[in-house]
Amino acid sequence: GAVVSQHPSRVICKSGTSVKIECRSLDFQATTMFWYRQFPKKSLMLMATSNEGSKATYEQGVEKDKFLINHASLTLSTLTVTSAHPEDSSFYICSARPGGNQPQHFGDGTRLSIL
Amino acid sequence: DAKTTQPPSMDCAEGRAANLPCNHSTISGNEYVYWYRQIHSQGPQYIIHGLKNNETNEMASLIITEDRKSSTLILPHATLRDTAVYYCIVRVFGAGGTSYGKLTFGQGTILTVHP
Repeated sequence: GAVVSQHPSRVICKSGTSVKIECRSLDFQATTMFWYRQFPKKSLMLMATSNEGSKATYEQGVEKDKFLINHASLTLSTLTVTSAHPEDSSFYICSARPGGNQPQHFGDGTRLSIL
Repeated sequence: DAKTTQPPSMDCAEGRAANLPCNHSTISGNEYVYWYRQIHSQGPQYIIHGLKNNETNEMASLIITEDRKSSTLILPHATLRDTAVYYCIVRVFGAGGTSYGKLTFGQGTILTVHP
């Protein structure tokens, strides 16, 4: 149980393109999901907390207009990287936690490469 | 959330027990210890968590010292597939407010299991 699915797993696109990444909780409902970013040989850094039915909470230094988050249902959150540039190339990972005494579970990540 | 300190790297022979230490000397009474691991190019995988009692599951054992200032993750019979970065994270379980569910990742321990 507690499976989190991310799609796509890899994206390669031209500079200026907007890219949408989906995060789904397959066997549980999640009112809160999290988006992380990871650069090569670095640790995960939390970007934002996605809240179902309300605005996301962004960490300091993360541009809200650059990284649009939508959490329209209890099983789906999306991260859209708008007008992506090469410096946005990174590994993006989402996570979600089932209710009750359950730990957080992560998707397999999306590797974004902007040419 | 309390900060954790882990050795940057460790080696282990296949079939032997891997003991990964973590120091969390500033841990609060209501903070849990979580362990995750990240295999290259994948999202983090939940391993185990505990508050003050030792815990065991199908993946590993977690030993927490009586004063809770440190813990050890034990992989009883390491295999080559256990080669990964192991993260020890301390946080309040189910905390409310804006920090709800957030996990702060440090640099972790790179565990290399060799034949």
